[in-house]
Amino acid sequence: GAVVSQHPSRVICKSGTSVKIECRSLDFQATTMFWYRQFPKQSLMLMATSNEGSKATYEQGVEKDKFLINHASLTLSTLTVTSAHPEDSSFYICSAPRPEAYNEQFFGPGTRLTVL
Amino acid sequence: AQTVTQSQPEMSVQEAETVTLSCTYDTSESDYYLFWYKQPPSRQMILVIRQEAYKQQNATENRFSVNFQKAAKSFSLKISDSQLGDAAMYFCAYRGFTGTASKLTFGTGTRLQVTL
Repeated sequence: GAVVSQHPSRVICKSGTSVKIECRSLDFQATTMFWYRQFPKQSLMLMATSNEGSKATYEQGVEKDKFLINHASLTLSTLTVTSAHPEDSSFYICSAPRPEAYNEQFFGPGTRLTVL
Repeated sequence: AQTVTQSQPEMSVQEAETVTLSCTYDTSESDYYLFWYKQPPSRQMILVIRQEAYKQQNATENRFSVNFQKAAKSFSLKISDSQLGDAAMYFCAYRGFTGTASKLTFGTGTRLQVTL
């Protein structure tokens, strides 16, 4: 069964609004989670590493003020897209490494964001 | 920095036949993991197979096997007895062994079509 969940699975919002996406590890604790962005027919691009109890680590070129990450607990990380614009429309995927499984990364089912 | 290259944007195979997907990578590390992930139309990332670099034996999972050539930094995926359900995007990925060990670097992907 699924070990990492994401909510919502899809969201449509108006330009200028903020959208929060949740990523949960269901049966294990994850001190680290990863957020990826995937454009159509392209690969996964790592946006940031979410760290429980400390600040997220952002990849080069990712605006930290626009993509706010909060790792609230050992099973929950959230990505908030602030002041969303149409160019933020994309597929967002989270993953979490499971320590007892060789740090294997388990992926959430993804969230499709459409900004009108 | 590590890089992963998939030189085949698209491949096609007939049902029941065998197909090989190519992947090369670049790293200065001696220990690492390599993965093949499958992304079907649902976009859920599914781990197909994993190879530890310190193991000389090629990994095998049912109809899926790899040809790991460490010196050549090559990691190809062979799918035997192809099935319609194998149609998907396939991503090759690299992960270091220590430090930011869980951070995955993905290739650009190969879209596999399976025909009758």
